[in-house]
Amino acid sequence: DGGITQSPKYLFRKEGQNVTLSCEQNLNHDAMYWYRQDPGQGLRLIYYSQIVNDFQKGDIAEGYSVSREKKESFPLTVTSAQKNPTAFYLCASSGRGVETQYFGPGTRLLVL
Amino acid sequence: QKEVEQDPGPLSVPEGAIVSLNCTYSNSAFQYFMWYRQYSRKGPELLMYTYSSGNKEDGRFTAQVDKSSKYISLFIRDSQPSDSATYLCAMSDAGGTSYGKLTFGQGTILTVHP
Repeated sequence: DGGITQSPKYLFRKEGQNVTLSCEQNLNHDAMYWYRQDPGQGLRLIYYSQIVNDFQKGDIAEGYSVSREKKESFPLTVTSAQKNPTAFYLCASSGRGVETQYFGPGTRLLVL
Repeated sequence: QKEVEQDPGPLSVPEGAIVSLNCTYSNSAFQYFMWYRQYSRKGPELLMYTYSSGNKEDGRFTAQVDKSSKYISLFIRDSQPSDSATYLCAMSDAGGTSYGKLTFGQGTILTVHP
């Protein structure tokens, strides 16, 4: 059963804490992406990665970090430097040379 | 001005109505156009994908692209309550390279009532 999984579904962050969101895909896709979705603002790109051990900043990378040690995995860390982290976070992937992206179910991050 | 503009709605229609969802854009380099459907608290799912200008039909859904006007549309015929969702337009200028950055509209909230 191919697809993209994200965990956890809900995540609570305390002040000054770093938290990590998981994203795994078994579609054999080369590229992976992280988006942030806020009400009324559509999706904004945080980071993306085309190949293992390489990634680039998107439009709103400040306060976030990523790694791409395996093709299947692209975890996102929300650091304490991100002052407004409450949002719905979406991971996506796509094949090489293909524009369409496929999304995971999302993680909702809330601040305590 | 945003690169992609989409009326956020909300749009409320009776079951069986024809729905028209629209996006305008400013970047003439966009060549690939997509529509995603997103149910509440779920990830977006790809609904339609078109390249350059023209129409594409898939069941009750028709995607239309007019590059000369920088305008894309999604039509839903015989709308059903199960079509109630947020619809996001997305576009890319990647041209088949290994990475295609998508630019999204804000999304239109659609409710189809029985």
